[in-house]
Amino acid sequence: AQSVAQPEDQVNVAEGNPLTVKCTYSVSGNPYLFWYVQYPNRGLQFLLKYITGDNLVKGSYGFEAEFNKSQTSFHLKKPSALVSDSALYFCAVRDIAGNNRKLIWGLGTSLAVNP
Amino acid sequence: AAGVIQSPRHLIKEKRETATLKCYPIPRHDTVYWYQQGPGQDPQFLISFYEKMQSDKGSIPDRFSAQQFSDYHSELNMSSLELGDSALYFCASSFIGPPNEQFFGPGTRLTVL
Repeated sequence: AQSVAQPEDQVNVAEGNPLTVKCTYSVSGNPYLFWYVQYPNRGLQFLLKYITGDNLVKGSYGFEAEFNKSQTSFHLKKPSALVSDSALYFCAVRDIAGNNRKLIWGLGTSLAVNP
Repeated sequence: AAGVIQSPRHLIKEKRETATLKCYPIPRHDTVYWYQQGPGQDPQFLISFYEKMQSDKGSIPDRFSAQQFSDYHSELNMSSLELGDSALYFCASSFIGPPNEQFFGPGTRLTVL
């Protein structure tokens, strides 16, 4: 069964420190992987995606994510966190096998960046 | 750039009433998705449409129905509302071709009293 796991409900980092938000996935074929961010009382905003090619993907607001096929992971990273990065982060995957176009979502990780 | 538009942004209804949520996708996007997000929860996929036909179905209750119109906008109709229907309802749109990167609207916050 297809699934996405975000093992941490909450991540706390100090401003200026590097941050990592973890995501692992399980799909039957090759995945398309996405990260979305949700600020309080706002809609989901696309951050970045992995389709194929370089395992390190760069996205919006200085975020990047590393695709690791052997570990089936797609962790979100940023070298230096900002207080304004505090938000809810969702990892999602689409299994490109078959005609299913649904995204499978993780449960979200709340990122708190402390000044 | 134009984004996904949802209306209304906020809606308050009584139990057993009906509600209609509207979604206007990004121009030239041919696929619309509806999601329900309860407090502190991940988005739950409800239903999607491609070229006015239902393409995927998720955890949409039988009390809900949706359709996509010729101008590609979509409406989610909710009847016999229950307290548990209180949630954020997101609409997203994409092109049908891979990777189906979905762009989300700001959401409609439905409160059922």
